Amino acid sequence: DADVTQTPRNRITKTGKRIMLECSQTKGHDRMYWYRQDPGLGLRLIYYSFDVKDINKGEISDGYSVSRQAQAKFSLSLESAIPNQTALYFCATSDLQPGELFFGEGSRLTVL
Amino acid sequence: LAKTTQPISMDSYEGQEVNITCSHNNIATNDYITWYQQFPSQGPRFIIQGYKTKVTNEVASLFIPADRKSSTLSLPRVSLSDTAVYYCLVGVPSYNTDKLIFGTGTRLQVFP
Repeated sequence: DADVTQTPRNRITKTGKRIMLECSQTKGHDRMYWYRQDPGLGLRLIYYSFDVKDINKGEISDGYSVSRQAQAKFSLSLESAIPNQTALYFCATSDLQPGELFFGEGSRLTVL
Repeated sequence: LAKTTQPISMDSYEGQEVNITCSHNNIATNDYITWYQQFPSQGPRFIIQGYKTKVTNEVASLFIPADRKSSTLSLPRVSLSDTAVYYCLVGVPSYNTDKLIFGTGTRLQVFP
């Protein structure tokens, strides 16, 4: 089983719908992240959390929200999806400094 | 914030050594240099990390000159399966994670 699991792996939805992407990890890491990747581009940070009580905005947080339900779970929500949120979304975890990022296999979201 | 510059793409042939150089002129004292590999529709995967001089593991070597303003990822005897995008990151994951920038990476194509 993967150390960082994302669900769903693929999702097609319509404009205006609320969408939740879930991430769970078995690595025991406190730090978790959500990234977005658009075709031909690198990854951009949406939100990150250093522990259950800590939530921080990343580079492109507008239009997104997150919930850290437990050490092992970090969810990303799109309250009202729009087409330009069509992208590949990655969850990642890391341990203490200097730290290595461990990525999930991605959730491909298409907003029509 | 250490910005990185990498070549957009590189071509090689199976069995050759590939060197990908990353420039990071304003690297900070506490920053580490980390390289990730990403295959299509998969999350990036950690390859190697270093602070100074040379680091070697089972898949790659990382050369960092004394001034640390650049680094070179060396892949010995590449195979077709090394075709991927390679990202150079500078920073301290878990400390200034929000400042880590993946950029567009270097797209390596390995030919038979």
